Amino acid sequence: ETGVTQTPRHLVMGMTNKKSLKCEQHLGHNAMYWYKQSAKKPLELMFVYNFKEQTENNSVPSRFSPECPNSSHLFLHLHTLQPEDSALYLCASSQEGRWGEKLFFGSGTQLSVL
Amino acid sequence: TQLLEQSPQFLSIQEGENLTVYCNSSSVFSSLQWYRQEPGEGPVLLVTVVTGGEVKKLKRLTFQFGDARKDSSLHITAAQPGDTGLYLCATKRAYNTDKLIFGTGTRLQVFP
Repeated sequence: ETGVTQTPRHLVMGMTNKKSLKCEQHLGHNAMYWYKQSAKKPLELMFVYNFKEQTENNSVPSRFSPECPNSSHLFLHLHTLQPEDSALYLCASSQEGRWGEKLFFGSGTQLSVL
Repeated sequence: TQLLEQSPQFLSIQEGENLTVYCNSSSVFSSLQWYRQEPGEGPVLLVTVVTGGEVKKLKRLTFQFGDARKDSSLHITAAQPGDTGLYLCATKRAYNTDKLIFGTGTRLQVFP
């Protein structure tokens, strides 16, 4: 148990669907992250939130919309995705979002876009 | 953009064998982290190395940071099936002092 919980674990959606990924951390951390892991690319940082404020948007297409209502919860809203968006989406948290801080990852949501 | 190249990309060995995986860059690292990701799970931090030439041991795992801080290695002695997973190195992005970039990964399979 890493203290970071992601739901759902698996998601299949059509290109016209709207869905949301949820992440919850029980570690009292102040920073939360979304990463994308594809089969053929290194782990890619998508978004960073520090104290509920977005501090990083790594040139992510607008069909991915993050939301951080509080320091414990992070969502990734998905709409009109493309098949190439199929990947493992990982949420992580850390104490202050600084380098050297240990990142705690969730188990991920395996997303398939048909 | 700083790239982290890991080798080998895939490695399949028998239980009891030794192995070494590598993480290299053309840039100097300020420090480097190693993670292991087991199938169906997220990455878990194994170690952070900071000083050039530093060696850290974690049971059967030995981590070494190159003297010039441009490379690192992970050596596993007497591998076990439980060592199976994706090994990732990570460091700071060159143009951002706070955020991690990850290497290409080494996928290890240890057969009983």
